[in-house]
Amino acid sequence: DSGVTQTPKHLITATGQRVTLRCSPRSGDLSVYWYQQSLDQGLQFLIQYYNGEERAKGNILERFSAQQFPDLHSELNLSSLELGDSALYFCASSVGSRGFTDTQYFGPGTRLTVL
Amino acid sequence: AQSVTQLGSHVSVSEGALVLLRCNYSSSVPPYLFWYVQYPNQGLQLLLKYTSAATLVKGINGFEAEFKKSETSFHLTKPSAHMSDAAEYFCAVSEGSQGNLIFGKGTKLSVKP
Repeated sequence: DSGVTQTPKHLITATGQRVTLRCSPRSGDLSVYWYQQSLDQGLQFLIQYYNGEERAKGNILERFSAQQFPDLHSELNLSSLELGDSALYFCASSVGSRGFTDTQYFGPGTRLTVL
Repeated sequence: AQSVTQLGSHVSVSEGALVLLRCNYSSSVPPYLFWYVQYPNQGLQLLLKYTSAATLVKGINGFEAEFKKSETSFHLTKPSAHMSDAAEYFCAVSEGSQGNLIFGKGTKLSVKP
């Protein structure tokens, strides 16, 4: 158990819908990272928040957005869903803002299926 | 820009045999390199990381990796495979001044009895 929690574990929805994925980092960790894992694209970095502020952006679509709240939990919002958004979405957390000095701990993931 | 290439999407070994999973990186700056393991239906777990200290890095579960700058490689090895090592392994590089990781496509390790 990494100490990172993600809810829900599974999510099934229809095209065009909007969903929210939730992540609670390990106690004491200030950074939250979101990654998408799909069969064709592999594991891709989406976005990072550090202590409530956006720190880095990766291959995140404009239909996707995220935020980190004062209690440090984070939410990833996915809207106008398409079939291709079906994937496993991971959240990771670390103490600081730079992953190469801190270990990133991954949650169990949320599996999103868009029908 | 940094990138990672994992050679072989599937590797199969017999129990007790040497495990060798290959990873080559591309980086314009001294890299920070990682190996993660993903068991079925689980998240990623850090096996080991290289942060410019010793070139031979020891990790959990008997795994180790050697950083070779001249070959731009960071191959993962384990002397003797165990059935419980069956999983998918990901090599990753940290993207410079940002904290995010760039992952390879992964190598699925099968261990035959």
